[in-house]
Amino acid sequence: SQKIEQNSEALNIQEGKTATLTCNYTNYSPAYLQWYRQDPGRGPVFLLLIRENEKEKRKERLKVTFDTTLKQSLFHITASQPADSATYLCALSSESSNTGKLIFGQGTTLQVKP
Amino acid sequence: DAGVIQSPRHEVTEMGQEVTLRCKPISGHNSLFWYRQTMMRGLELLIYFNNNVPIDDSGMPEDRFSAKMPNASFSTLKIQPSEPRDSAVYFCASKRQGDSQPQHFGDGTRLSIL
Repeated sequence: SQKIEQNSEALNIQEGKTATLTCNYTNYSPAYLQWYRQDPGRGPVFLLLIRENEKEKRKERLKVTFDTTLKQSLFHITASQPADSATYLCALSSESSNTGKLIFGQGTTLQVKP
Repeated sequence: DAGVIQSPRHEVTEMGQEVTLRCKPISGHNSLFWYRQTMMRGLELLIYFNNNVPIDDSGMPEDRFSAKMPNASFSTLKIQPSEPRDSAVYFCASKRQGDSQPQHFGDGTRLSIL
């Protein structure tokens, strides 16, 4: 069955360092992948999208990579700040990409310490 | 632009009672999604609509759950009768036409069934 895995352990890093979060998937080939941020008591907020034919995408301090051979996406936050502390969710499209349907990972909680 | 609006934000009720959750999507969005989020299972898709028509309800846990979208600006998720295991945060999300368009989430309804 389709499975998405994100680091279940919280990631604690020092302010100014680069945070790297991992999203692995098995048993299917998504057309694209999205990353969302979720703060406590709030709904997820879209950050970035990367398609299966793209290796890397950047937006300000954020960078996403997508390796369809390894079936893995990495999400990087450079020069991290305490305000980056949140839970980050990866979401994969279904293989038939025209539905807009997403399958979400469990999320990784990032804590950036000043 | 107003975001996705959900009501109520919190609901506490006794088992056996009917629960109705409400969602107003973003104007101009033609897809609407209902999710349930728990610590154990993460964010799970329950049902989604395209142009007010239910497309995939395979995530609806059982017949006690039903969802409607009578028009483009309103949707309901109903649980009847409710059970303690239905306690979770329920999110509604909407998106524009186009498979890779991001989903915009409301801030959820925190449901507690006693």
